[in-house]
Amino acid sequence: KNEVEQSPQNLTAQEGEFITINCSYSVGISALHWLQQHPGGGIVSLFMLSSGKKKHGRLIATINIQEKHSSLHITASHPRDSAVYICAVTNTGNQFYFGTGTSLTVIP
Amino acid sequence: DTAVSQTPKYLVTQMGNDKSIKCEQNLGHDTMYWYKQDSKKFLKIMFSYNNKELIINETVPNRFSPKSPDKAHLNLHINSLELGDSAVYFCASSQDNSGANVLTFGAGSRLTVL
Repeated sequence: KNEVEQSPQNLTAQEGEFITINCSYSVGISALHWLQQHPGGGIVSLFMLSSGKKKHGRLIATINIQEKHSSLHITASHPRDSAVYICAVTNTGNQFYFGTGTSLTVIP
Repeated sequence: DTAVSQTPKYLVTQMGNDKSIKCEQNLGHDTMYWYKQDSKKFLKIMFSYNNKELIINETVPNRFSPKSPDKAHLNLHINSLELGDSAVYFCASSQDNSGANVLTFGAGSRLTVL
């Protein structure tokens, strides 16, 4: 069983829809990362959080440390949001654990 | 000015060959990483170096040997390449090795072993 589980694995949405991607983890962490990988292959760090909530433009990330759960929300989704979203956690020993990713397709 | 740069971007080679992938970061970060992304797009950490010292060495065949001449460079040398080594290899860096810093990734190096 993977230390980091993401759901859903695949997601198709209509442009404008509100999107939620979930991440659950089973290890103690110092931080949780949300990464975005576009079809071209490059990986970009969207958020790093250890508590609470962060917002950047139309993206919102939340984390509940007690429940070991994080969500990534996209408001007013757009076709350019189509990408693979990867959840990763790090512990105090800087060990990394990655989720298998959520492939998002936003249809115009 | 690219923050984390990897070369080459693409590498096609025959089984049994030895090849290297280079990585450089100009962010002044202390910690650098190598990740492997397989055909199923699953990312897995291979190595982590902090200030030129090996911090993380996951279960990776000893045909893979990282080298960090200084904290701005982390190169990956692979001996006796096998078909299963075909993957995209990502270099990344972070401010330190506390695990609580943003990661900056390179663009990836796609290795194809024939």
